[in-house]
Amino acid sequence: DVKVTQSSRYLVKRTGEKVFLECVQDMDHENMFWYRQDPGLGLRLIYFSYDVKMKEKGDIPEGYSVSREKKERFSLILESASTNQTSMYLCASSLTRDRNTGELFFGEGSRLTVL
Amino acid sequence: QKEVEQDPGPLSVPEGAIVSLNCTYSNSAFQYFMWYRQYSRKGPELLMYTYSSGNKEDGRFTAQVDKSSKYISLFIRDSQPSDSATYLCAMTPFNNNDMRFGAGTRLTVKP
Repeated sequence: DVKVTQSSRYLVKRTGEKVFLECVQDMDHENMFWYRQDPGLGLRLIYFSYDVKMKEKGDIPEGYSVSREKKERFSLILESASTNQTSMYLCASSLTRDRNTGELFFGEGSRLTVL
Repeated sequence: QKEVEQDPGPLSVPEGAIVSLNCTYSNSAFQYFMWYRQYSRKGPELLMYTYSSGNKEDGRFTAQVDKSSKYISLFIRDSQPSDSATYLCAMTPFNNNDMRFGAGTRLTVKP
């Protein structure tokens, strides 16, 4: 089974703190994604990566950065957390960008609260 | 206007009912259509995948795509309490990085 593991399920941080969310997948997938999920808004893509050290902005990259130093690991960084970044963050992976299977494999999510 | 519209519900039905979940979209370039199921405190998982127009059936689940109307549906027959979850429609022209999600419909099936 494909497994996408997000290191922290629940975090509480203060405004201005730096936040790291880590994601690891174990199936040698090329693509990795970070989404945030908010009620009424669905999933919105923050950043994605199709290769090591490659990153592309999604729909809402402002206030976020990412790092992909190894194929299996994709990190989301909030340089200075703000209250409007309180959300559920979902990491996902998919096999390849060259063929569409429709399947994203998601982690269980990291619920971040910024006070 | 959102690219993908989905009624968030909540929807509550008795066990055994037929459930109909729907999404509309505005981008005619979408070709791949998915339904994801998300249980509480879990990540979404792929339930159904359809390319272009038509129907696809998998057990109690049927996915329909009508590209002329820009409308997709998921039908659940003989619904079970274990079907209680949030159902997200998703669609893309091709690449997964262009995938657009609906807001999700929360379904409760009561025993």
